[in-house]
Amino acid sequence: DIQMTQSPSSLSASVGDRVTITCRASQSIGKYLNWYQQKPGKAPKLLIYAASSLQSGVSLRFSGSGSGTDFTLSINSLQPQDFATYYCQQSYNTPRTFGQGTKVEIK
Amino acid sequence: EVQLVESGGGLIQPGGSLRLSCAASGFIVSNNYMTWVRQAPGKGLEWVSVIYSDGSTYYAASVRGRFTSSRDNSKNTLYLQVNSLRAEDTAVYFCAREMATSSDALDIWGQGTMVTVSS
Repeated sequence: DIQMTQSPSSLSASVGDRVTITCRASQSIGKYLNWYQQKPGKAPKLLIYAASSLQSGVSLRFSGSGSGTDFTLSINSLQPQDFATYYCQQSYNTPRTFGQGTKVEIK
Repeated sequence: EVQLVESGGGLIQPGGSLRLSCAASGFIVSNNYMTWVRQAPGKGLEWVSVIYSDGSTYYAASVRGRFTSSRDNSKNTLYLQVNSLRAEDTAVYFCAREMATSSDALDIWGQGTMVTVSS
């Protein structure tokens, strides 16, 4: 199975900050990398697919980059509604493993 | 509206069985790859299974042999039969649709149904 490792596991940031989360795959996955946002008690929401494509309806403050084994999710000008947990997921092969999550908290 | 609605969770004793349901609207389940993902209390997301449009299935090692994914095309509904339940199967179970693109991301999610395994 492909292992997905996110860093950091948590971070504290202020409204207006730029935040970057990284995700590393244990083997090359091309651009088969997706990012999700999850708020407490809610289902995950797709933000970014294929490493850098913004899902319809998602704020332009979110962006993704990377290929192979190293990927990043960036959030520009952090807003109150962005405080949540973010997960990466590889869709290169099955099982489609998730990273352990990064919790973005208010500083 | 495109949506998924899960049901069937509950409190079940170790060794017991449940059938989780995921009713779809706005799209055809059998034309898509459909996935189950679970989340133990306070933990991260764990991919559980997929059923492909051709009906074939694949399972995570942690549930293989105990869980079975299926669908009823006439009801446009996905199912997850969960047998031989263990305490570590306690989780919210989400169904989700894989995008019909080369990315295979999960673009539509249900609200989740809670399964609690306890005596």
